[in-house]
Amino acid sequence: AQSVSQHNHHVILSEAASLELGCNYSYGGTVNLFWYVQYPGQHLQLLLKYFSGDPLVKGIKGFEAEFIKSKFSFNLRKPSVQWSDTAEYFCAVNANSGNTGKLIFGQGTTLQVKP
Amino acid sequence: DAGVTQSPTHLIKTRGQHVTLRCSPISGHKSVSWYQQVLGQGPQFIFQYYEKEERGRGNFPDRFSARQFPNYSSELNVNALLLGDSALYLCASSSSRGYGYTFGSGTRLTVV
Repeated sequence: AQSVSQHNHHVILSEAASLELGCNYSYGGTVNLFWYVQYPGQHLQLLLKYFSGDPLVKGIKGFEAEFIKSKFSFNLRKPSVQWSDTAEYFCAVNANSGNTGKLIFGQGTTLQVKP
Repeated sequence: DAGVTQSPTHLIKTRGQHVTLRCSPISGHKSVSWYQQVLGQGPQFIFQYYEKEERGRGNFPDRFSARQFPNYSSELNVNALLLGDSALYLCASSSSRGYGYTFGSGTRLTVV
C-alpha cells in the first residue's frame, strides 16, 4: 500500500535558522508530490507541488523542495525561517495511476519558530 | 473568487445520529474530494467525485457516503455516528483528478 512518512513530528527552531523537513513515500510508479501548510486556525494551503521536470521546486514564502526519485524523497527546505512560519506541515503524494486523484498524507510535522 | 466553501463550520451530534456535510467547489472545478483529519494526524482520504461519478473510495465503513450534484457541489453523509467519527472533515476541489487541490476550511464534527 502507498504510504507517506514524515520523519520529524515536532521541530523547534530559532528565527533565521535553516529548515529541512523530511518526507519519504512508498510507491514505485509515477507520482505527483505536494507540501501543504496549516497555520493555526486556518485551512490547508498549498506550499508547492511537483509533477514533472526540474526536481527542485520553488514554492511560496521562500520554501523549496527537492524530489529525489532514487530515494523516494521530497524534502522541504527554507534557508531562514521566520516566526510566522510556525505551523503544521504536511507532505502528500498522489499516485499518478490515472484512476483516482486521492492524496495520501504524511502524519504532519509541527514547526515551532521561536522569536 | 470564492474558494472552497464548506458548511456548517462546526456541529455537535449525538452517537447514533446522522450528519450531512456540504461543500461547494471553486467555480469551474469538477472534482471534489473528502478527507477526515483526526487531531494530530494527516488527512485521510474518504471519497473522490469527478464529473458526478465516484472515482475513489478510501478505507471507511459503509456508514460514510457521498454524492456530487450537477453544479459540482457535494455532500458527505455519515450514518450511525460513533464517538470516533469526531474529526475535522475537509473538502478539496480540483480542476482535474491529480493536479493540485484547494482545500476548504473544514467542518469540525464532535460526536458526544
